[in-house]
Amino acid sequence: EAQLVESGGGLVQPGGSLRLSCAASGFTFSPYWMLWVRQAPGKGLVWVSRMNGDGTTISYADSVKGRFTISRDNAKNTLYLQMSSLRVDDTAAYYCGRESFYAVDVWGQGTTVTVSS
Amino acid sequence: QSALTQPPSVSGSPGQSVTISCTGSSSDVGSYNRVSWYQQPPGAAPKLMIYEVTNRPSGVPDRFSGSKSGNTASLTISGLQTEDEADYYCFSYVGSYTMVFGGGTKLTVL
Repeated sequence: EAQLVESGGGLVQPGGSLRLSCAASGFTFSPYWMLWVRQAPGKGLVWVSRMNGDGTTISYADSVKGRFTISRDNAKNTLYLQMSSLRVDDTAAYYCGRESFYAVDVWGQGTTVTVSS
Repeated sequence: QSALTQPPSVSGSPGQSVTISCTGSSSDVGSYNRVSWYQQPPGAAPKLMIYEVTNRPSGVPDRFSGSKSGNTASLTISGLQTEDEADYYCFSYVGSYTMVFGGGTKLTVL
């Protein structure tokens, strides 16, 4: 069974950095587009970033462009999200997902990022 | 990257049908058949219900169906059940390798 497990969330001060990881198992990781989605407390889902299988095509939401960097290590079956210059409004649960036919068919359980002084 | 427009809430009684709309523009929803729908119960991760406008993943009941007309995609749930109560989100490819969600709709089963 395909599974994604996020880690790396926590409490960070405004302006700080954090790296999220998403470990994939149960499927061949390298061919798939992968993405990050976030959800602020009590709010809706927001697409953050996506990357193709070999890492040559990457896109970001305007709200994180220049501050967040998506990457992957296909040898380790792991997706990453490096977050810097964090702001209070980046506080959210962050989900990684596997894309298939431009839809997210496998979701992780989420990891929580809190940006606060 | 403006969010797609969904009604904040819809409701229905058990056994009835409800439809949730997702309105974009001619440059996103209207241009691509790449709209998907997700069900998210409170405190849980989202679950894929429909992909590419009309397709149901294995295991999703056929009470859930999707459609599109012009710049608006729709999710219809027929034969409402109490367990359908959740938040529902649409999601679309909008060009230049970017994606966007709708604002979400809370479904209440009365």
